[in-house]
Amino acid sequence: GDSVTQMEGPVTLSEEAFLTINCTYTATGYPSLFWYVQYPGEGLQLLLKATKADDKGSNKGFEATYRKETTSFHLEKGSVQVSDSAVYFCALSESGFNKFYFGSGTKLNVKP
Amino acid sequence: NAGVTQTPKFRVLKTGQSMTLLCAQDMNHEYMYWYRQDPGMGLRLIHYSVGEGTTAKGEVPDGYNVSRLKKQNFLLGLESAAPSQTSVYFCASSTPGTSGVKHFGPGTRLTVL
Repeated sequence: GDSVTQMEGPVTLSEEAFLTINCTYTATGYPSLFWYVQYPGEGLQLLLKATKADDKGSNKGFEATYRKETTSFHLEKGSVQVSDSAVYFCALSESGFNKFYFGSGTKLNVKP
Repeated sequence: NAGVTQTPKFRVLKTGQSMTLLCAQDMNHEYMYWYRQDPGMGLRLIHYSVGEGTTAKGEVPDGYNVSRLKKQNFLLGLESAAPSQTSVYFCASSTPGTSGVKHFGPGTRLTVL
């Protein structure tokens, strides 16, 4: 079945460091891929998305490229800030309203 | 435009008690969802609705019931709470389609003693 696998956290970085959070997926068709972010005490917010192979989603300095050949959608940011500290979820959506799968989440801690 | 709102924000129940969580959205979305979030397990779908008057089971529906009497509201009920239902509950709404972005509420933290 469909699934999403993310790297386990927590990930701890110093401010201005480079960030990569790995995400790989298994899907039977052609899914859309998402990154959501959850700040402490809040609900999930969409960070970025990509709907087809080779698409790059970007927002707030974060980027992720939909790689069909490696079934990956890794999240990157060139220079993290303390305010980026949050839990990041990778997700995929296939045809069918109930076919939306989340990874287990990766907690990012950024130290000043 | 409040987006998705949930009430209450926190609740403590004793085993066997019942309660209803309310979700409301003002974006005129057709689809609404209830998820639970547990440590290390991401979000798991409890029930969902594709329109007013319709509901369907998700991944972990046992012990929960839902109703969607109005398009903007989606209620989640626990008839007889159990400690295993201690979790954070999130409501979400979206438009149809695989690229439809889900909009989440702020969550309800439920503890069952």
